[in-house]
Amino acid sequence: DAKTTQPTSMDCAEGRAANLPCNHSTISGNEYVYWYRQIHSQGPQYIIHGLKNNETNEMASLIITEDRKSSTLILPHATLRDTAVYYCIVRVDFGNEKLTFGTGTRLTIIP
Amino acid sequence: DTAVSQTPKYLVTQMGNDKSIKCEQNLGHDTMYWYKQDSKKFLKIMFSYNNKELIINETVPNRFSPKSPDKAHLNLHINSLELGDSAVYFCASNHASGLQYFGPGTRLLVL
Repeated sequence: DAKTTQPTSMDCAEGRAANLPCNHSTISGNEYVYWYRQIHSQGPQYIIHGLKNNETNEMASLIITEDRKSSTLILPHATLRDTAVYYCIVRVDFGNEKLTFGTGTRLTIIP
Repeated sequence: DTAVSQTPKYLVTQMGNDKSIKCEQNLGHDTMYWYKQDSKKFLKIMFSYNNKELIINETVPNRFSPKSPDKAHLNLHINSLELGDSAVYFCASNHASGLQYFGPGTRLLVL
């Protein structure tokens, strides 16, 4: 799996959009970008994933650059419950592939 | 209903003991995993089973033996527990789309 680089930590004011960047410059053509988050003491939770088009769901939006070497996860209106470690992971999109977690970004939402 | 459940949630035991952690998923997924999260919060794959067959073993010591009695269950048995085994162990199951669903974790403390 390609490696990813994320900032160690970020702060965001409550109610603002949180933009979490991820670099994956060695991503292969068949690898997707996945985002998971881990709220303190809980199991990781899937957020969103995409291949090359921008994606949006009820939790977040994912913006992938045209060259696919980086992406940004956007939480449009951050709440205190969004405080967590956010992991950007690249992997091929077929059933049995493991997730290779990096160190992630610790996002703190400030009241 | 809980999608992926683990028991026990907490496990405190003495060095040298043998213990088991159980995992069950009611999602009908074919693939299940065990991940270990150490004190530095690194989350790493240990094992993966697909339809009761081992498909990933990430150089985990022989003291760790996963067992899958059916595709809804993946249990982890640990022999001769060591201090370094103290960690949070997460079970996960994988949807065919590639999304992984994690359990709440089992916090193991070896004294």
